[in-house]
Amino acid sequence: ETGVTQSPTHLIKTRGQQVTLRCSSQSGHNTVSWYQQALGQGPQFIFQYYREEENGRGNFPPRFSGLQFPNYSSELNVNALELDDSALYLCASSLANRNTEAFFGQGTRLTVV
Amino acid sequence: AQSVTQLDSQVPVFEEAPVELRCNYSSSVSVYLFWYVQYPNQGLQLLLKYLSGSTLVESINGFEAEFNKSQTSFHLRKPSVHISDTAEYFCAVRSSIIQGAQKLVFGQGTRLTINP
Repeated sequence: ETGVTQSPTHLIKTRGQQVTLRCSSQSGHNTVSWYQQALGQGPQFIFQYYREEENGRGNFPPRFSGLQFPNYSSELNVNALELDDSALYLCASSLANRNTEAFFGQGTRLTVV
Repeated sequence: AQSVTQLDSQVPVFEEAPVELRCNYSSSVSVYLFWYVQYPNQGLQLLLKYLSGSTLVESINGFEAEFNKSQTSFHLRKPSVHISDTAEYFCAVRSSIIQGAQKLVFGQGTRLTINP
């Protein structure tokens, strides 16, 4: 059973650029959620994908977008990067419509300069 | 909507001493409760969870938490801590309604520091 893997582990981007982060879900899981964790804060829910569609979104602007692929892997895209987007981005996978826990990846540390 | 309050941002304790990390939540619907641990430069690992049944839940490394519905709390305890327990601990809730987005709402975290 493979766990949740994220790539890259670290990334430095310039303000105004665009970034794509990737996540492979745990084997057998069909739902992927993305969270933003700013320094010294708890993770904040960005959105969730199930059956290749967004099925829930937190308080994040439209420049945060995502995709889920048929193999349940996912991408998080952020356009027009701002300094405040610097954070640890966490991906979590789970099974939809089950009362089970979510499993997290190691995260991608994004620094915007 | 749900919210989580972790009452202590930092908790320093000596090795082998007991510790309690406090968590209170609010929700208009019934919830599931979780504690996650985050070691430096790593993601979140599930420590323990309450879904239903016994209100006292235990982890394999000696932590336990008790769900108190009347006080809307889910405090984490360990009778004797080790240096290796030094980490950030996050309390989280999720609606028990299984349809729709399974969104976790986290507290701000408690940094547990174990001193020798």
